[in-house]
Amino acid sequence: GAGVSQTPSNKVTEKGKYVELRCDPISGHTALYWYRQSLGQGPEFLIYFQGTGAADDSGLPNDRFFAVRPEGSVSTLKIQRTERGDSAVYLCASSEGPNTEAFFGQGTRLTVV
Amino acid sequence: EDQVTQSPEALRLQEGESSSLNCSYTVSGLRGLFWYRQDPGKGPEFLFTLYSAGEEKEKERLKATLTKKESFLHITAPKPEDSATYLCAVQASSVGAQKLVFGQGTRLTINP
Repeated sequence: GAGVSQTPSNKVTEKGKYVELRCDPISGHTALYWYRQSLGQGPEFLIYFQGTGAADDSGLPNDRFFAVRPEGSVSTLKIQRTERGDSAVYLCASSEGPNTEAFFGQGTRLTVV
Repeated sequence: EDQVTQSPEALRLQEGESSSLNCSYTVSGLRGLFWYRQDPGKGPEFLFTLYSAGEEKEKERLKATLTKKESFLHITAPKPEDSATYLCAVQASSVGAQKLVFGQGTRLTINP
């Protein structure tokens, strides 16, 4: 597609449930990033993939968060046992490769009730 | 620890009233400084990358400049459609570092 696509746009889930957020990067982009943005704040880094491998997962807050990119294209961010504090906009970005500008999707707004 | 601070947090201008947004940063070694624009409910939209002190880039009414400690986003004769949150981010030059460290943004409102 023309840009980074994220689904769903909005997700409401109950505390304790499991959620998956999907990201379709720009075709041909080898680098993919996940960020989290709380209201009134800048995006906060979660994880970076180069190809299929997670090159940097230092931003994942705890072991409830996990992300995969099995074929080097689509990525899924998985959150187990969701907590109210996980409520935020989850942003995905992709770039042609390392050290090139990243282009963001519109985000998935996650609300944990 | 890499850090980015943007000021002011919010800025209201009249249409045509030029101003500047500030981005102060500390980073172990700078690979690049990025400016993004973010509209409500949307993801950040890429504007500029600056790589070294003294570099300048322009796009329409926006001009970004870079020194060793800060970057400015100058807005000349703004229009209401320039209203948005402007985000600044840095990328460190250390091996393997790819993440962007963002500031909290400046919320700009241009009144007609």
